[in-house]
Amino acid sequence: DSGVTQTPKHLITATGQRVTLRCSPRSGDLSVYWYQQSLDQGLQFLIQYYNGEERAKGNILERFSAQQFPDLHSELNLSSLELGDSALYFCASSVEGGRATDTQYFGPGTRLTVL
Amino acid sequence: LAKTTQPISMDSYEGQEVNITCSHNNIATNDYITWYQQFPSQGPRFIIQGYKTKVTNEVASLFIPADRKSSTLSLPRVSLSDTAVYYCLVGSISGGYNKLIFGAGTRLAVHP
Repeated sequence: DSGVTQTPKHLITATGQRVTLRCSPRSGDLSVYWYQQSLDQGLQFLIQYYNGEERAKGNILERFSAQQFPDLHSELNLSSLELGDSALYFCASSVEGGRATDTQYFGPGTRLTVL
Repeated sequence: LAKTTQPISMDSYEGQEVNITCSHNNIATNDYITWYQQFPSQGPRFIIQGYKTKVTNEVASLFIPADRKSSTLSLPRVSLSDTAVYYCLVGSISGGYNKLIFGAGTRLAVHP
């Protein structure tokens, strides 16, 4: 158990819909990262937040957005869903997020299925 | 950002030592080398991190030569439960922020 929690565990929805994925970082961690992993593919970095502010952006689509709240939990919003958005979405947290030595602790993931 | 290259897959047998080598020719002076392990449908898990020479913990060893252009993750006496994907990452700071780039990883299959 990494200490990072993600809800829901599974999500099934239809194309065109909007969903929200939630992540609670480990106690004391200020940075939250979101990743997407499609079937049999590697992890794609989407976005990072640090203490409520956006820190770095990766391959995040314009239909996707995220935020980190004052209590440091984060939400990833996915809208106008397409079949290709079906994937495992991981959240990770680290103490800071600006050092090469930062270790990221990953949550169990949310499996999104778009029908 | 430093790019890494590692074998796509490897096979081994229980009880053997497994060495997975990762190339990172354009590693920067401040970069650290980190390895993560991922089981199916789970998030990656930190295994080991190093800067140079050798690092050992209760799970693995990491060997880094003087030029730091490659690194080798060594798993002693593997078991079936070590079957997983192993990612080599070079911790780069881009614009002051940590953007870890996960490559395809090495899919290790341990056989009885």
